[in-house]
Amino acid sequence: GENVEQHPSTLSVQEGDSAVIKCTYSDSASNYFPWYKQELGKRPQLIIDIRSNVGEKKDQRIAVTLNKTAKHFSLHITETQPEDSAVYFCAAAPLYNFNKFYFGSGTKLNVKP
Amino acid sequence: DTGVSQNPRHKITKRGQNVTFRCDPISEHNRLYWYRQTLGQGPEFLTYFQNEAQLEKSRLLSDRFSAERPKGSFSTLEIQRTEQGDSAMYLCASSLGTTGDSPLHFGNGTRLTVT
Repeated sequence: GENVEQHPSTLSVQEGDSAVIKCTYSDSASNYFPWYKQELGKRPQLIIDIRSNVGEKKDQRIAVTLNKTAKHFSLHITETQPEDSAVYFCAAAPLYNFNKFYFGSGTKLNVKP
Repeated sequence: DTGVSQNPRHKITKRGQNVTFRCDPISEHNRLYWYRQTLGQGPEFLTYFQNEAQLEKSRLLSDRFSAERPKGSFSTLEIQRTEQGDSAMYLCASSLGTTGDSPLHFGNGTRLTVT
């Protein structure tokens, strides 16, 4: 099955700086890659997703890039704010089994004011 | 609130007891999932329903675990003879669509503590 690895496990940045979280996946059949944000005690919430026919997608301060050849995708947050502090999870879903999402182990982002 | 609803939010039980959790998905969503999340880890897939049919179960789901989705609406997850290793957050999610790349919408989870 799919194996998703996520780095770093913790990330601390100064408010206004950029943050980058990276994920690699093992199954070349994966072609849907969502990112979730989970605040303490709350549900994971989808913040952005990308499909394999696209190399990059942006939504305001958030962007995701995908390199299918290297099997890695990254989340970029620009102009970070204290409210961006949370745990971020990447996930991959294989083409043959979209119903099973494989999640990374998470990155705890701390934005210092 | 039209999001995914889970009850209870917290459950403390003694080892060996049975517990049951409930999930109410977003009403128009035909797919329902159960995931388990332990501290410092991402959610792990447990099982999946398309309407009322349970189509896939993870190897993580031992025979002590059973899930149902009668009438394709709410779902229940039962754990029999709980063990301390069952302590985790149990997340329910739902999605809509006939294609595979529909995002999951998660509930707030049920945190199970087995003493």
